[in-house]
Amino acid sequence: QQQVKQSPQSLIVQKGGISIINCAYENTAFDYFPWYQQFPGKGPALLIAIRPDVSEKKEGRFTISFNKSAKQFSLHIMDSQPGDSATYFCAASSTGTASKLTFGTGTRLQVTL
Amino acid sequence: KAGVTQTPRYLIKTRGQQVTLSCSPISGHRSVSWYQQTPGQGLQFLFEYFSETQRNKGNFPGRFSGRQFSNSRSEMNVSTLELGDSALYLCASSLGASHSGNTIYFGEGSWLTVV
Repeated sequence: QQQVKQSPQSLIVQKGGISIINCAYENTAFDYFPWYQQFPGKGPALLIAIRPDVSEKKEGRFTISFNKSAKQFSLHIMDSQPGDSATYFCAASSTGTASKLTFGTGTRLQVTL
Repeated sequence: KAGVTQTPRYLIKTRGQQVTLSCSPISGHRSVSWYQQTPGQGLQFLFEYFSETQRNKGNFPGRFSGRQFSNSRSEMNVSTLELGDSALYLCASSLGASHSGNTIYFGEGSWLTVV
């Protein structure tokens, strides 16, 4: 019930292309869906987050698409750049005293020239 | 504003020993969470402390413990170390409890190698 499934495990995209990472969840109580970006040797950093009351959120080249009925959400990186090469984690949590942030297994993105 | 600070950054321990990792949250943050990151399992939640009280605990054995001090600094301890405990241990802090959708900020982690 608490699991968040993320795919693909790794992704290679050419510079200027679109990177798409998908996540699916089971727990319908989840109401907060952040994406984290992690560079080697660094801790994860919040990239963008969405709540289920909207279907899409865009911040610069990064967009989250959310499909509540399918229990899926995805990260789109437009005009991918070599500096975007990192590991991306989706996550989910619910409001409640016993909840926690549950992470997907991560996607290693490599943007080639 | 200083970020989340974790010490030590790197350490090597022998199987059976114990280890204590320290985390200083961002000033003003009252919630501290700990995560274990391994290549195979990703980011696994260990526990969260808020105002010195453990709010939530992940599915880890009792060898993993933690505490939070009145200044919000936190420590986690792993006793009787096993080879499988080798991992990056990440601390994260937030203003409020992480379940409320508050942004959590991660430190750079403590790399633990058990030999």
